[in-house]
Amino acid sequence: GAGVSQSPRYKVAKRGQDVALRCDPISGHVSLFWYQQALGQGPEFLTYFQNEAQLDKSGLPSDRFFAERPEGSVSTLKIQRTQQEDSAVYLCASSLLDWTGSLAGPLTDTQYFGPGTRLTVL
Amino acid sequence: SQQGEEDPQALSIQEGENATMNCSYKTSINNLQWYRQNSGRGLVHLILIRSNEREKHSGRLRVTLDTSKKSSSLLITASRAADTASYFCATEETSGSRLTFGEGTQLTVNP
Repeated sequence: GAGVSQSPRYKVAKRGQDVALRCDPISGHVSLFWYQQALGQGPEFLTYFQNEAQLDKSGLPSDRFFAERPEGSVSTLKIQRTQQEDSAVYLCASSLLDWTGSLAGPLTDTQYFGPGTRLTVL
Repeated sequence: SQQGEEDPQALSIQEGENATMNCSYKTSINNLQWYRQNSGRGLVHLILIRSNEREKHSGRLRVTLDTSKKSSSLLITASRAADTASYFCATEETSGSRLTFGEGTQLTVNP
């Protein structure tokens, strides 16, 4: 079946421009994650959605970063007034199950990653 | 911030040899996952090992987990040139579902 898709695959922005990055998760997946990967580094967590609810945005580096998932499916990561340090690959991942935080403990499942959007800020 | 430390940072071997990569982490985890990333591509999930498991196999992959030492290893047997990629370990902490990645090992398999 179709995997996670992201668009655009490449984006070049002038410093100060706003950008919007799109993620289409696997159909039916409850959880959606955004990660930022700098060159030569491992991905770093940005934010997490369970359906349309943004449950964790502690990884967003500044208030210029904003993410939404209004209908619990497609998600958009928006970066306002881009800076050179925002240059990175932005990865989206989805997983079937959710983190319930119940007494039984969190549910875990594989996160499936999209190909990423490589953002270059000049 | 990145939790995991992986070693070696880079590994170069000949086709047919085995490759071993190690990962250490700092906090309590639900599971540890290994991913592969080819240059310029997204992450491909390889294998997940839960905190109550000690060893897991999948094809040519063997993963071990030692929660007392907070470490894991990934063994790729009979390596192929197509195995050339970066390999990342990622931990899912007990506090939440986010993955925390190491900095990766760049594996080169020479034909």
